[in-house]
Amino acid sequence: GAVVSQHPSWVICKSGTSVKIECRSLDFQATTMFWYRQFPKQSLMLMATSNEGSKATYEQGVEKDKFLINHASLTLSTLTVTSAHPEDSSFYICSASGTSDSPLHFGNGTRLTVT
Amino acid sequence: QKEVEQNSGPLSVPEGAIASLNCTYSDRGSQSFFWYRQYSGKSPELIMSIYSNGDKEDGRFTAQLNKASQYVSLLIRDSQPSDSATYLCAVSFTGGGNKLTFGTGTQLKVEL
Repeated sequence: GAVVSQHPSWVICKSGTSVKIECRSLDFQATTMFWYRQFPKQSLMLMATSNEGSKATYEQGVEKDKFLINHASLTLSTLTVTSAHPEDSSFYICSASGTSDSPLHFGNGTRLTVT
Repeated sequence: QKEVEQNSGPLSVPEGAIASLNCTYSDRGSQSFFWYRQYSGKSPELIMSIYSNGDKEDGRFTAQLNKASQYVSLLIRDSQPSDSATYLCAVSFTGGGNKLTFGTGTQLKVEL
């Protein structure tokens, strides 16, 4: 089945620093990947849609200058949390599928803790 | 606003019983529906997808879709303690491609 790899699985950083999270589709090409964020005991909230070769589409309320997304190839999307603050501490999950009408598969997630 | 609603639970069922999880959605034109299972601290795992009215069975899982009522459900037969998790209903709304909107999830507890 479709495999999505996400790295790192967890990261602790100091307030004010930046953190990069990678999402790779291992056995299929993904023109579109999605980045979600999940706070404790809450559901997944879509942050942005990552489009290969073009700018990401951000959901309302998500700061594009803070959450930088790069989708440079058909198998890799990166999310960079810039100038991280403690309130950015969350579980970040990427997802992708091979076609627009096939189910999404999720990476294992990245737990970010900002101290 | 396009919404997906679930009862947050917890839903407690005894081992071996049938667990019934329900979900409603706001966009009548939605075409694709999914159930994901999420263990605590882990990312969601796809359990079932359903696209047309009726039932779809896969092992102990049955997804049911009623587009007229804008209702999708998941039945888990012979529930096991390992089924204890949060179950997320996800809907792909009209014109959204495979972008999913998730419900808040229902926590299921299967008790010995």
